[in-house]
Amino acid sequence: RKEVEQDPGPFNVPEGATVAFNCTYSNSASQSFFWYRQDCRKEPKLLMSVYSSGNEDGRFTAQLNRASQYISLLIRDSKLSDSATYLCVVNRAGGSYIPTFGRGTSLIVHP
Amino acid sequence: GAGVSQTPSNKVTEKGKYVELRCDPISGHTALYWYRQSLGQGPEFLIYFQGTGAADDSGLPNDRFFAVRPEGSVSTLKIQRTERGDSAVYLCASSLTWPPKTDTQYFGPGTRLTVL
Repeated sequence: RKEVEQDPGPFNVPEGATVAFNCTYSNSASQSFFWYRQDCRKEPKLLMSVYSSGNEDGRFTAQLNRASQYISLLIRDSKLSDSATYLCVVNRAGGSYIPTFGRGTSLIVHP
Repeated sequence: GAGVSQTPSNKVTEKGKYVELRCDPISGHTALYWYRQSLGQGPEFLIYFQGTGAADDSGLPNDRFFAVRPEGSVSTLKIQRTERGDSAVYLCASSLTWPPKTDTQYFGPGTRLTVL
């Protein structure tokens, strides 16, 4: 089993839709969690950190479920510009905090 | 201010050759990471530096790969006897502090390596 797993998609949604992605991780001792966004042939950029209590940034909401070992990203009112790959990142525990990336979930928002 | 820069942006080489990939992190960032990203996959960790020393090189696939950061700023990833399977985008990232439990990593644009 991979350390961090994501459904690669693509998720194909119309503008204005609400879409949610999940990401599961295998190391129960993992300490910190993030969502990154990567546009085609560009570098990843931090979208948001994920906190235990859940957090929201505009149309984006991230949640962490430690018991089931998954994090989620909810995007409301999708825009064409949200089309990208969304990468889940889990920092491996144990002193080194090595960032482990999922393979990413592709989102396509169409008119 | 300037972000993370990487050179070259593209590198085409022949199987068996030696290549060097360079990363200039954001000024003042103490932590520097190298990743490799293949098509359809997320970035795969290779090595990170805290200052000049390699704090964890557990992601380097074999002894053909080596990285240095002699003055705690610029880093060079070196690949000997390149193989076709080394073809990928090599990403560098830096972050301000260590440990990066919650710190943002800033990525460079990557070097696309193609081994013929």
